[in-house]
Amino acid sequence: EAQVTQNPRYLITVTGKKLTVTCSQNMNHEYMSWYRQDPGLGLRQIYYSMNVEVTDKGDVPEGYKVSRKEKRNFPLILESPSPNQTSLYFCASSSLQGLGYNEQFFGPGTRLTVL
Amino acid sequence: AQSVSQHNHHVILSEAASLELGCNYSYGGTVNLFWYVQYPGQHLQLLLKYFSGDPLVKGIKGFEAEFIKSKFSFNLRKPSVQWSDTAEYFCAVPNQGGKLIFGQGTELSVKP
Repeated sequence: EAQVTQNPRYLITVTGKKLTVTCSQNMNHEYMSWYRQDPGLGLRQIYYSMNVEVTDKGDVPEGYKVSRKEKRNFPLILESPSPNQTSLYFCASSSLQGLGYNEQFFGPGTRLTVL
Repeated sequence: AQSVSQHNHHVILSEAASLELGCNYSYGGTVNLFWYVQYPGQHLQLLLKYFSGDPLVKGIKGFEAEFIKSKFSFNLRKPSVQWSDTAEYFCAVPNQGGKLIFGQGTELSVKP
């Protein structure tokens, strides 16, 4: 089954404790992206990747890091989480060919609370 | 820069009522337009999309949307909503780099 998976689904942590949210897709997609969803703000892009070892900042990259060492994986790293990073996070992937025309496939979301 | 605006933040309807959710975008050139739906506790799923051709687009679960270029609009409609349509709905437009620009979202609550 074609899917995007994320782990963990729920995470409560404390300020400053490094964490990683994993994202994996099995559709051989080149394009992967991280979004955060906050009430009244919709989804905002954090980082995206066009292919292995190619990453770029989205609209709200501060406080986040990503890596793309393998095509299928795109982890989101919070080196020193702060309470304003409490949010719902989604990973998405899409074929690069026809990007902008194709559907983006979303993961189930990770609800992060930073105390 | 491309932007998307959804006017209704929260809509409450009774079952069988008709639905129309507004979406306006800012860019005046060729656009591709998407509506995504997020059911409670679930990930976003594609409802429908418009690229070209017939401006009335039909999607899954009885939803449709009409692209009106002169009004920069892509409103989502359904003639008769069901309780299972309770969800959050997002309009989205890709920018030139392919990044999806999302609207703020509209939360739809359908009363049984």
